[in-house]
Amino acid sequence: IAGITQAPTSQILAAGRRMTLRCTQDMRHNAMYWYRQDLGLGLRLIHYSNTAGTTGKGEVPDGYSVSRANTDDFPLTLASAVPSQTSVYFCASSQDRGNSPLHFGNGTRLTVT
Amino acid sequence: AQSVTQPDIHITVSEGASLELRCNYSYGATPYLFWYVQSPGQGLQLLLKYFSGDTLVQGIKGFEAEFKRSQSSFNLRKPSVHWSDAAEYFCAVGGLTGGGNKLTFGTGTQLKVEL
Repeated sequence: IAGITQAPTSQILAAGRRMTLRCTQDMRHNAMYWYRQDLGLGLRLIHYSNTAGTTGKGEVPDGYSVSRANTDDFPLTLASAVPSQTSVYFCASSQDRGNSPLHFGNGTRLTVT
Repeated sequence: AQSVTQPDIHITVSEGASLELRCNYSYGATPYLFWYVQSPGQGLQLLLKYFSGDTLVQGIKGFEAEFKRSQSSFNLRKPSVHWSDAAEYFCAVGGLTGGGNKLTFGTGTQLKVEL
């Protein structure tokens, strides 16, 4: 079934450790996104990529980095995790920018202790 | 800056009753508006979207939404709620400004359905 695969499903991470959340899509979508979801705050955009080789900062980019080496993969890296990064992370993709709807993965639940 | 307000954090309705979830947005140009639904432990699924044209849009699962520019609103409605509609609902606004489909989401409305 075509869609977005995120890994891991959940993770407990010690503060200060480095962590990469993986995201792969098989829909050949040009644009990809990382959101974090926190209770009472909805979803907030961390980083996005309009096409392979380009990335941009969203609303809450500090402490996170991304890369887009190819169309299918869009990993999110926490270089040195802090407890405030405890959240549920969603990867999404869309055919292109503008009015294309977003397709979401099932999320990664990250707890930083 | 674009923003979305969903004033109702929680709503409880009886099965078979009608439903309206409120959404107000702020956007400097013609907005693209979306409603998504999230079941527990799942990602978000698109219910419907508005880009232009007819201001009443139909979506999946019997949902509809009406775009009212004068009120900056995009409320979601369903005539008769089913128990399986219990979930969290998110309104989102976006557009072509600034590059990329950078949607801004509301904080969500949790829907509970009483049998």
